[in-house]
Amino acid sequence: GAGVSQTPSNKVTEKGKYVELRCDPISGHTALYWYRQSLGQGPEFLIYFQGTGAADDSGLPNDRFFAVRPEGSVSTLKIQRTERGDSAVYLCASSPHGGGNSPLHFGNGTRLTVT
Amino acid sequence: QKEVEQNSGPLSVPEGAIASLNCTYSDRGSQSFFWYRQYSGKSPELIMFIYSNGDKEDGRFTAQLNKASQYVSLLIRDSQPSDSATYLCAGISNDYKLSFGAGTTVTVRA
Repeated sequence: GAGVSQTPSNKVTEKGKYVELRCDPISGHTALYWYRQSLGQGPEFLIYFQGTGAADDSGLPNDRFFAVRPEGSVSTLKIQRTERGDSAVYLCASSPHGGGNSPLHFGNGTRLTVT
Repeated sequence: QKEVEQNSGPLSVPEGAIASLNCTYSDRGSQSFFWYRQYSGKSPELIMFIYSNGDKEDGRFTAQLNKASQYVSLLIRDSQPSDSATYLCAGISNDYKLSFGAGTTVTVRA
């Protein structure tokens, strides 16, 4: 497809479980971002990849959250020991090179519900 | 203080009127600004970006940037019911990090 693809679209898990969220960016885009959006709020920055490396992970809330992008394309956001407060929509975005004039293109998000 | 603040909504305008959305930012190093539209349950969709002081027009949309006042706005002319959505203002800092406001929900009354 031409756009950013995220799977699954919905994920329901029990408190304490481990989850993985996948993002497939637009082909050729070197910059990849993860954001989290709670109801009634704007997207909140989590992590930024330039190629394979996490250039900025300052938005990850704590060490239960981790993300990888081993081949510079697909990225996986991993959440350990999930808590009810982790429930949100997790958005992935990519851009051609991550520069100031390079708009982000968002996927449709993964809605995570922790019960 | 959040990096990007938007005027609180919701904003309700009649069809055909102008909807005016405002945004301020705290990081003077922010270089570029973006307006995204987000329909309920959908992902943000880019509608405008601006990086120079002044106005930028694209169809019924006009973005305005005033770096001295750290102020960004979006005008939607001839508002249509299909414009009903949440509008997110965002600024880029450090050349890559996009920070969003909380969004303003616009309802266009037919």
